[in-house]
Amino acid sequence: AQTVTQSQPEMSVQEAETVTLSCTYDTSESDYYLFWYKQPPSRQMILVIRQEAYKQQNATENRFSVNFQKAAKSFSLKISDSQLGDAAMYFCAYRRERWQSADDKIIFGKGTRLHILP
Amino acid sequence: DVKVTQSSRYLVKRTGEKVFLECVQDMDHENMFWYRQDPGLGLRLIYFSYDVKMKEKGDIPEGYSVSREKKERFSLILESASTNQTSMYLCASSSGGEGTDTQYFGPGTRLTVL
Repeated sequence: AQTVTQSQPEMSVQEAETVTLSCTYDTSESDYYLFWYKQPPSRQMILVIRQEAYKQQNATENRFSVNFQKAAKSFSLKISDSQLGDAAMYFCAYRRERWQSADDKIIFGKGTRLHILP
Repeated sequence: DVKVTQSSRYLVKRTGEKVFLECVQDMDHENMFWYRQDPGLGLRLIYFSYDVKMKEKGDIPEGYSVSREKKERFSLILESASTNQTSMYLCASSSGGEGTDTQYFGPGTRLTVL
């Protein structure tokens, strides 16, 4: 069974600094998708960034980028120039490529709470 | 923009009551999901539906049931609420089929069972 592990329950970073959130996963599949979701306090969870496993190039969205290491099954999120609005719970998630059965649901990690220090 | 709405942000119920949590999405999505979010446990899938009147159990379906009579609406039902069902409940939807299948989440319902 696939699993997603976020080993850092909480992290803190100084405003304007760079922080990296770790995520590892376990799968025997070769085709899948990886996601980072952000859940600000008392607000809706939103997608931050996604990566297709067949793509070697790391996904980037403005200040957010990933370091995707397929062989190591690692998918870390880097936030550059951290802002107060980045404070949130961040969830790493995995989904196999083909949706065919109940086993193809998205699997979430337990989350990392990120604090931004002014 | 995709919009997923949930009927209540906060709900307080008593043990044994029947509880309905409603979720509506406006993007004609095939798939809809109900998650439960608890500190230290992340998101756990309760039920999901990939079509009208279709439902599949997730990881923790015990004590819950669901209903999807219309494509845009997915209801979570607690037949007889218990204190261990106090939690944050998140609804999500996705377009389904192959592809990245990004999930779009509602704002959540924080349910307290006394």
